[in-house]
Amino acid sequence: GENVEQHPSTLSVQEGDSAVIKCTYSDSASNYFPWYKQELGKRPQLIIDIRSNVGEKKDQRIAVTLNKTAKHFSLHITETQPEDSAVYFCAASRNNDMRFGAGTRLTVKP
Amino acid sequence: EAGVAQSPRYKIIEKRQSVAFWCNPISGHATLYWYQQILGQGPKLLIQFQNNGVVDDSQLPKDRFSAERLKGVDSTLKIQPAKLEDSAVYLCASSPPGGGGFETQYFGPGTRLLVL
Repeated sequence: GENVEQHPSTLSVQEGDSAVIKCTYSDSASNYFPWYKQELGKRPQLIIDIRSNVGEKKDQRIAVTLNKTAKHFSLHITETQPEDSAVYFCAASRNNDMRFGAGTRLTVKP
Repeated sequence: EAGVAQSPRYKIIEKRQSVAFWCNPISGHATLYWYQQILGQGPKLLIQFQNNGVVDDSQLPKDRFSAERLKGVDSTLKIQPAKLEDSAVYLCASSPPGGGGFETQYFGPGTRLLVL
């Protein structure tokens, strides 16, 4: 089955800096790649996603890039703010299966 | 629009006991998912229902876990007997009919289980 690796496991940045989280996947048939933000004790919330026929997608300060050949995708957050502090999960899915990465704990220091 | 409801929110049991979790999806949502999220890990999809039928349960430990959605609305997830490693948050999610699947899933607040 699909295997998703996520790096780094923790990331600390200064407010205003950029943050980049990277994921790799193993199943070349995966075609949907969402990113979730999960605050402590809360449910995961979808923040951005990308399908396999698109290379890049942007939504305000958040962007996702996908390299199908290398089977990796990345989350980019610009102009980070303290409220961006949370755990971020990538995931890869095909058909009826979705696999999540282990998560990245992002801390934005004011 | 009301969200996905789950109960109980917290449960503490001893190992070898049984436990059941309940999920009420968003009204009209045909697809229902159960995930297990162990502390410090990403959610793991256990089972997916389409109405009252199982679409995928390949990651459900069937020796101790069972789930049903008899009338295609509410769902229950049961663990019998529980083990220490079952301590986790159990998340229910649902998505509307007409395609979209994972792209349109909404998560419930989760049930936090502690097995002692």
